[in-house]
Amino acid sequence: DAKTTQPPSMDCAEGRAANLPCNHSTISGNEYVYWYRQIHSQGPQYIIHGLKNNETNEMASLIITEDRKSSTLILPHATLRDTAVYYCIAVNAGNNRKLIWGLGTSLAVNP
Amino acid sequence: EAQVTQNPRYLITVTGKKLTVTCSQNMNHEYMSWYRQDPGLGLRQIYYSMNVEVTDKGDVPEGYKVSRKEKRNFPLILESPSPNQTSLYFCASSTSTGPEQYFGPGTRLTVT
Repeated sequence: DAKTTQPPSMDCAEGRAANLPCNHSTISGNEYVYWYRQIHSQGPQYIIHGLKNNETNEMASLIITEDRKSSTLILPHATLRDTAVYYCIAVNAGNNRKLIWGLGTSLAVNP
Repeated sequence: EAQVTQNPRYLITVTGKKLTVTCSQNMNHEYMSWYRQDPGLGLRQIYYSMNVEVTDKGDVPEGYKVSRKEKRNFPLILESPSPNQTSLYFCASSTSTGPEQYFGPGTRLTVT
């Protein structure tokens, strides 16, 4: 499974867009990019996933580069409640139970 | 409400005293899993279960046991807890087509 690389921490002003990058340069063709977040030691929460195309749901947007070597999670209007650790994970479609969790990006949304 | 529940949420125990952490889900999910989370190490999978009576080891199974006698329940058993099992534990579940996993609230275990 592809390893992902994320910056350890980021800051964002409340009300502004938060853009969280993820590098997955070794991702294979059948691996999806999944994003989860974990708010202050609570259980991780699924946000969004994608394979090739950009995706949007009520929580966020996911932009995947054309070569699929990197992606960006966008929280369009960050609030204080979005302060959390965000995890980017490459998931093999053929072995979709094996999630390799890195240390994620700790996002601080500031008032 | 669809959810994964864990009990207890907090537990302080002594070395060698057997304990069980329960996990239950009400979403009729086939897949369930246990993770532990430690500072600087992230989430690591302990055991998982693809369905009733089907379990398998994750990355860090030593010192743990599990069972899956009913679809909704997946208890984690520490037969002889040791201080290095002090950790934050999460149970998760998903459908057979997954892999969006739904996590419980966590159990913070301290072994002295």
